[in-house]
Amino acid sequence: DAKTTQPTSMDCAEGRAANLPCNHSTISGNEYVYWYRQIHSQGPQYIIHGLKNNETNEMASLIITEDRKSSTLILPHATLRDTAVYYCIVRSSNTGKLIFGQGTTLQVKP
Amino acid sequence: DTAVSQTPKYLVTQMGNDKSIKCEQNLGHDTMYWYKQDSKKFLKIMFSYNNKELIINETVPNRFSPKSPDKAHLNLHINSLELGDSAVYFCASSQGRNGDEQFFGPGTRLTVL
Repeated sequence: DAKTTQPTSMDCAEGRAANLPCNHSTISGNEYVYWYRQIHSQGPQYIIHGLKNNETNEMASLIITEDRKSSTLILPHATLRDTAVYYCIVRSSNTGKLIFGQGTTLQVKP
Repeated sequence: DTAVSQTPKYLVTQMGNDKSIKCEQNLGHDTMYWYKQDSKKFLKIMFSYNNKELIINETVPNRFSPKSPDKAHLNLHINSLELGDSAVYFCASSQGRNGDEQFFGPGTRLTVL
């Protein structure tokens, strides 16, 4: 599975959009981009995933560049409860194995 | 209604003991997983079962043995516990064997003294 690179930490003001970048320059054609988050002391929570088109659900939007070498997770109106570690994961369609990196610690501030 | 549950939530034990962690999911999923999160917060997959069949087995010591009595349960038995086994263990489940949207349990914090 391709490796991903994310900033170690980010801050965001409450109510503003949080844009979390992820680089996955070695991604191959059958690999999906997944985002999970882990709020302190809880199990990871699925957010969204995509292959090449942009995706949106009730939690977030996922923007994938045309060359698929990077993506951005957008939380449109961050709240204090969105403070968490956000993991960008590239997963092959052939396996259920999620390989978690260090993730980005997002701190939402009042 | 808890989707993926684990027992116990906390487990403190001595080196050399044998212990089990239980996991149950009520989502009707076919696939279940065990992950380990160490003190540095890295989360790594250990095992995956699909309909009671082992499909992922990462490089994990033989002291760790998963057991799936049915597709709603995946238990983790650990023999001869070592200090390095101290971690948080998460169980997860997904509908298909390819892991789309995995649902995680609350975790079991294991401390080996």
